[in-house]
Formats: sequence, C-alpha cells, structure tokens
Amino acid sequence: AQSVTQLDSQVPVFEEAPVELRCNYSSSVSVYLFWYVQYPNQGLQLLLKYLSGSTLVESINGFEAEFNKSQTSFHLRKPSVHISDTAEYFCAVSERDGGYQKVTFGIGTKLQVIP
Amino acid sequence: KAGVTQTPRYLIKTRGQQVTLSCSPISGHRSVSWYQQTPGQGLQFLFEYFSETQRNKGNFPGRFSGRQFSNSRSEMNVSTLELGDSALYLCASSSEDNTEAFFGQGTRLTVV
Repeated sequence: AQSVTQLDSQVPVFEEAPVELRCNYSSSVSVYLFWYVQYPNQGLQLLLKYLSGSTLVESINGFEAEFNKSQTSFHLRKPSVHISDTAEYFCAVSERDGGYQKVTFGIGTKLQVIP
Repeated sequence: KAGVTQTPRYLIKTRGQQVTLSCSPISGHRSVSWYQQTPGQGLQFLFEYFSETQRNKGNFPGRFSGRQFSNSRSEMNVSTLELGDSALYLCASSSEDNTEAFFGQGTRLTVV
C-alpha cells in the first residue's frame, strides 16, 4: 500500500530566497508522482508530474522536482520565490493497485512567502 | 474543454440536516473522486467512483455516501450533519490512466 509523507506542514521563507518542500513516499511498485498547488478558496491545480524518463521535471513558473528512487523522494524546489507563490502544495503518488491507478495525496505544506 | 464543475459553491446547513453536493467531471473522464479538506485534518479522501461503481473508499462514517450516474456526473450526500462536517469538499476527475487529476473549485459547507 502506498503512502505519502510531507514532512513540513508550514514553510515560511523570505521573498527571493530558495525553498524546498519535502515529499517522501512508500510504494512497492513503480509510481507516478505529482505536485499540486492550491491557492486560497480554489481547488488544486497540477504543478508538475513525473511519469517516466528524466527524473528532473520542471514547471512553467520556475519550480522543479527530482524523482529519487533510492530515497523514495520527490522534493519540490524553487531557487527564488515570489509573493505569488504563497499557497498550499500537495504531493501525490499514483500506483497500480487492483487493476487501476490509485492516487494518494499528502496532507499538504503551506508555503508562506514573507516580503 | 470545460473543467470540473461543482455546485453549489457555498452552502450553510443546520446540524442534523442532510446535504447533497454535485460534481460534473471533464467530458470523457469516467473517474470521479471526492475529498474533504479542513484546516485540522488536511486533505482526506472520501471515495472514488468509476463507471457508476465505487472502487475505492476512505475512512469516513456511513453518513457520507455517493453515487455516479451514467453520464459520469457524481453526487455526494452527507446525512445527519455535524458541526465537524464543516469543510471544503473537493471533487476531482481523471481519465482511465489517472496520469492527472483535475479538481473543481470545491463546495464550502458550513454547518451551524
């Protein structure tokens, strides 16, 4: 059975500083990995995903995440954050279970960018 | 392509009442999942429907139920509402390969 651990519930960071949001998962089979972002009073939106191929994936707004199979991690990074990055970020893993892809979400990390 | 539509956006109910929330998935998506989001518990999985069948269920009491229609639209029902049911209820649809979930904007339920 899969599980997703987001180690930090809140991460405060100053504007233009780098940030890393940590995500670890447990699964016995090959997985798809995702990061979603949620702005206040909105649903979740896909930020980036790893399905196969290059272990480093990037989003259009400067975030990147690297799939590390040996450490079962998929940490999200950005070298320089903006005020507009303030949001909640969810890591998710999808694995084959009982004939279909089953998705599990982490509990979320609130990123607060301080001016 | 229209996105996932949840109705209503906001709802206020009294303890003991029941409520029905609706979700229209993206056209062609047969999988619909429901989540409850609260400040204290984060995002919690309620259930998933695929082709009118519930194929996955979270750890919620029987007061929470759902169904899916032949056009893939889904409803969830909460009976005998409690104050603790106040939350943002999110619906997500995905295609069969589940390589991405598309979320609606949610229904904000307040129980007074």
